[in-house]
Amino acid sequence: IVLTQSPGTLSLSPGERATLSCRASQSVSSNYLAWYQQKPGQAPRLLIYGASSRATGIPDRFSGSGSGTDFTLTISRLDPEDFAVFYCQQYGQSPWTFGQGTRVEIK
Amino acid sequence: QVQLVESGGGLVKPGGSLRLSCAASGFTFSDFYMSWIRQAPGKGLEWVSYISNTGSYTNYADSVKGRFTISRDNAQNSLYLQMNGLRAEDTALYYCARRGYSASLDSWGQGTLVTVSS
Repeated sequence: IVLTQSPGTLSLSPGERATLSCRASQSVSSNYLAWYQQKPGQAPRLLIYGASSRATGIPDRFSGSGSGTDFTLTISRLDPEDFAVFYCQQYGQSPWTFGQGTRVEIK
Repeated sequence: QVQLVESGGGLVKPGGSLRLSCAASGFTFSDFYMSWIRQAPGKGLEWVSYISNTGSYTNYADSVKGRFTISRDNAQNSLYLQMNGLRAEDTALYYCARRGYSASLDSWGQGTLVTVSS
């Protein structure tokens, strides 16, 4: 399954809303779709699993939605610590695949 | 708390071999599937392999199938990746990660760098 993320880069200011898209080339089984955040020099961190469930310790400004082939990660109000690269991943079908990433940068 | 520490990376010539290790602590290792994911310099994430909690089932990306072997030692709380026939395109930071109860990758190590160059 090929995952295509858009946009490639999102330039926003702290406090603004961020909307990231992940589109799959075929339906993702059981909505097995996750979102990860990666900051420079750090390992990825799980944000969302099952398309819409927040991982432990993830602030509620992060939310996931979607099903089938279209998924969205929304950050309701950007905090300065949120600027990073975000990846979607499907784990419902082998091979597991990642999107190419969306960079959220400070405007 | 969950801790995953990778080791074994380094510089190797094309065609060479390397064995990566991942030491796990803070959870019952034998309960969880484990995985290797890699990230080439400046690039995105690529899933490499995973192994079932007992080690009886493994799966690989096409790009490494037949060259890499994943294994684990539950008595030692350790995950391994034997890499043979290394190519320049295998150059990457290799992460080990735990597949959590949600089936997603809920814990990651800091990675070990593998550089394949003559």
